[in-house]
Amino acid sequence: GAGVSQSPSNKVTEKGKDVELRCDPISGHTALYWYRQSLGQGLEFLIYFQGNSAPDKSGLPSDRFSAERTGGSVSTLTIQRTQQEDSAVYLCASSPRTLNTEAFFGQGTRLTVV
Amino acid sequence: QKEVEQDPGPLSVPEGAIVSLNCTYSNSAFQYFMWYRQYSRKGPELLMYTYSSGNKEDGRFTAQVDKSSKYISLFIRDSQPSDSATYLCAMKGWTNAGKSTFGDGTTLTVKP
Repeated sequence: GAGVSQSPSNKVTEKGKDVELRCDPISGHTALYWYRQSLGQGLEFLIYFQGNSAPDKSGLPSDRFSAERTGGSVSTLTIQRTQQEDSAVYLCASSPRTLNTEAFFGQGTRLTVV
Repeated sequence: QKEVEQDPGPLSVPEGAIVSLNCTYSNSAFQYFMWYRQYSRKGPELLMYTYSSGNKEDGRFTAQVDKSSKYISLFIRDSQPSDSATYLCAMKGWTNAGKSTFGDGTTLTVKP
């Protein structure tokens, strides 16, 4: 497809389980971003990639969260030992570079931890 | 205190009204200012992007930036029901351009 694709679109998991969220960016986009959006809130920065490197991981809430990007394309956000406060919409975006370009967002993965 | 504060909503206006959406910020390092529109259960989409003080116009939308006051606005003229959405301001600096800081959003409803 032409846009940013995220999977799954919805995920319900039990507290304590690990989850993996996937992002397929627009082809050729070198920059990739992960944000989290809780109900009625703005977007909270998690991490961004330039190619396969992550210059800024400062937004990852705890060591239970990790992300990787391979081949300058697909990215996976992993949450270990999920907690109820992890419930949110996880949004991925990509752009040709980080400056002076539009970031295109995917539809998000709605994570519910029960 | 948050780095970016956005006027809370919700905001409800009649069709054809002029809408003003506003954000203030505290971080002088912010140089790039964006407005996103987000429909329910969708990802945000970029409306306006500017990096200088002053006004930038695109159709019915005008983005205004006042760096001296650390204040940005988005004006929507001749508002339409299809403009009903949540509007998010966002900003970032030159040195860490991969990280955008967002406001909490203002939900706008335009009534026919």
